[in-house]
Amino acid sequence: AQSVTQLGSHVSVSEGALVLLRCNYSSSVPPYLFWYVQYPNQGLQLLLKYTSAATLVKGINGFEAEFKKSETSFHLTKPSAHMSDAAEYFCAVTKGGTSYDKVIFGPGTSLSVIP
Amino acid sequence: GAVVSQHPSRVICKSGTSVKIECRSLDFQATTMFWYRQFPKQSLMLMATSNEGSKATYEQGVEKDKFLINHASLTLSTLTVTSAHPEDSSFYICSARAGGLPANTEAFFGQGTRLTVV
Repeated sequence: AQSVTQLGSHVSVSEGALVLLRCNYSSSVPPYLFWYVQYPNQGLQLLLKYTSAATLVKGINGFEAEFKKSETSFHLTKPSAHMSDAAEYFCAVTKGGTSYDKVIFGPGTSLSVIP
Repeated sequence: GAVVSQHPSRVICKSGTSVKIECRSLDFQATTMFWYRQFPKQSLMLMATSNEGSKATYEQGVEKDKFLINHASLTLSTLTVTSAHPEDSSFYICSARAGGLPANTEAFFGQGTRLTVV
């Protein structure tokens, strides 16, 4: 069964520092991976998704993620953290070959940004 | 991105009553909708997947008679929590995907509903 793990339930960085949120997947080929962000008491917003067209994926708000098949990873990064980046981040994988199939979420990583 | 509207955003009900939560896709046809439950500081737990015009597929451990899901049209799905009890208090989130597309098609999420059963 496909699943994702996120190392580190909580990450704290200083404002302006690099953000690195880890995601590893276990899946049969091919994996379809997503990063979502959730602000308190709200739904989820898509940051970026892996489309197989490129291993380095750029998303919104300056985030990007690199798909590394050899490491089964899809880590999320941002060069310089902003206070507004404080939120919950979820890596997700879709199971199956079409958009009818369900999306499974990792446990999430809470990002805190210290002024 | 596409818009999914979930209503109500917050509801308080008495134990033993039923509560209906609506999820609407406003600008696309949501062939498939998903209902999640989220406990504080935890991830989203998939409850069920519903395809328009079909019975919902429930995840293991989810009581289908308690959490009634109806997906009668391509723009509306409802989740009814029947005979609610305090342990049903949670944050419920719906999401929708347009069907028949590649697997990397993203799901769009509603704003969530905070259910409190007293």
